[in-house]
Amino acid sequence: KNEVEQSPQNLTAQEGEFITINCSYSVGISALHWLQQHPGGGIVSLFMLSSGKKKHGRLIATINIQEKHSSLHITASHPRDSAVYICAPEGHKLSFGAGTTVTVRA
Amino acid sequence: GAGVSQSPSNKVTEKGKDVELRCDPISGHTALYWYRQSLGQGLEFLIYFQGNSAPDKSGLPSDRFSAERTGGSVSTLTIQRTQQEDSAVYLCASSLIAGGNQPQHFGDGTRLSIL
Repeated sequence: KNEVEQSPQNLTAQEGEFITINCSYSVGISALHWLQQHPGGGIVSLFMLSSGKKKHGRLIATINIQEKHSSLHITASHPRDSAVYICAPEGHKLSFGAGTTVTVRA
Repeated sequence: GAGVSQSPSNKVTEKGKDVELRCDPISGHTALYWYRQSLGQGLEFLIYFQGNSAPDKSGLPSDRFSAERTGGSVSTLTIQRTQQEDSAVYLCASSLIAGGNQPQHFGDGTRLSIL
């Protein structure tokens, strides 16, 4: 079983601030997903990456496969970014981090 | 285009009853996954199907839980003799194939409440 640790567990930021969420896992993987879950429960896949860096709008995800570590960055954060962000390393199935609850205040 | 569809969206039932939850994956997706999210808990893998291969049932919490996938498309998750600890949101996801480099697309989930 892949042990997944996310940090921080909770994060509060002011609008416009730069946010970083970290994810470490214990077992080598083929890819890692970052998921976003809004209040109400719907889950959206933000990124899936197996190396390097991906960028989508104000979101940036990086991964270091050798170090078994990934980060999700939110630049110029906005209240609509408030959600739970979940790291999910994938072997042949997803393991999940406990999630990081992000609150962005206007 | 149509995403992953789950039904019902909410289900309330009495302890001891059987329930069936349905998942319609995205057309053409050969991999289908069931997950569970209990109140205040993280996501938990239950079972996944890849094409006609035997499903990976390693996440099912007890023998009261079973799932099938007919015709390589629609899947049904069945919980027999429900218990209060089965209350959770049950999420289904599908991907083109199983494994890395294929994103999973999630349904909106079924919120199951056992009284």
